[in-house]
Amino acid sequence: DAGITQSPRYKITETGRQVTLMCHQTWSHSYMFWYRQDLGHGLRLIYYSAAADITDKGEVPDGYVVSRSKTENFPLTLESATRSQTSVYFCASSYDGRNSPLHFGNGTRLTVT
Amino acid sequence: EDKVVQSPLSLVVHEGDTVTLNCSYEVTNFRSLLWYKQEKKAPTFLFMLTSSGIEKKSGRLSSILDKKELFSILNITATQTGDSAIYLCAVDQNTGGFKTIFGAGTRLFVKA
Repeated sequence: DAGITQSPRYKITETGRQVTLMCHQTWSHSYMFWYRQDLGHGLRLIYYSAAADITDKGEVPDGYVVSRSKTENFPLTLESATRSQTSVYFCASSYDGRNSPLHFGNGTRLTVT
Repeated sequence: EDKVVQSPLSLVVHEGDTVTLNCSYEVTNFRSLLWYKQEKKAPTFLFMLTSSGIEKKSGRLSSILDKKELFSILNITATQTGDSAIYLCAVDQNTGGFKTIFGAGTRLFVKA
């Protein structure tokens, strides 16, 4: 199916573990993004990518790593998970990153115990 | 500090009511304002506004931007239970990189 898919939908992990959240889009959009959504904060940008092998920090990048070796994939890794990283994570894509809206995946709910 | 503020934070109405959701912003280098609807999962795009005073309309939903007073409103007429959702306002900035600031959202609940 065309669109943007995230996996897993739910994840529980322990403090200190490494976790990778996956994101795959089939539109060949140039831009891809990772947001976290927390009560009272709205959506905050973690990292974004303008094209394969081009990534840049967003508002809250600390503790996260991204890569984009292929246009369609944009995984997000928590190198050593902390409880403050418990959140709902949304991947998004857009055609050109400036004059086009974001298309979001269905999110990954991550709990760090 | 750049910010986007939505009001009210939550709202309960009855089917058939008309609601107005507010979004005010203080953002440097404004490019556009966007509205999204978030039901149980992913936010979905509603409107993109770039010019003052031009109403965007889609069915029972409409939105308008005032760049002088720095706000936008989202109107929903004849509300239905399916309109129950979180409505997100976001402002894109004209910067060298990518910068979109989201408001915290308005949670709307429509009672049958």
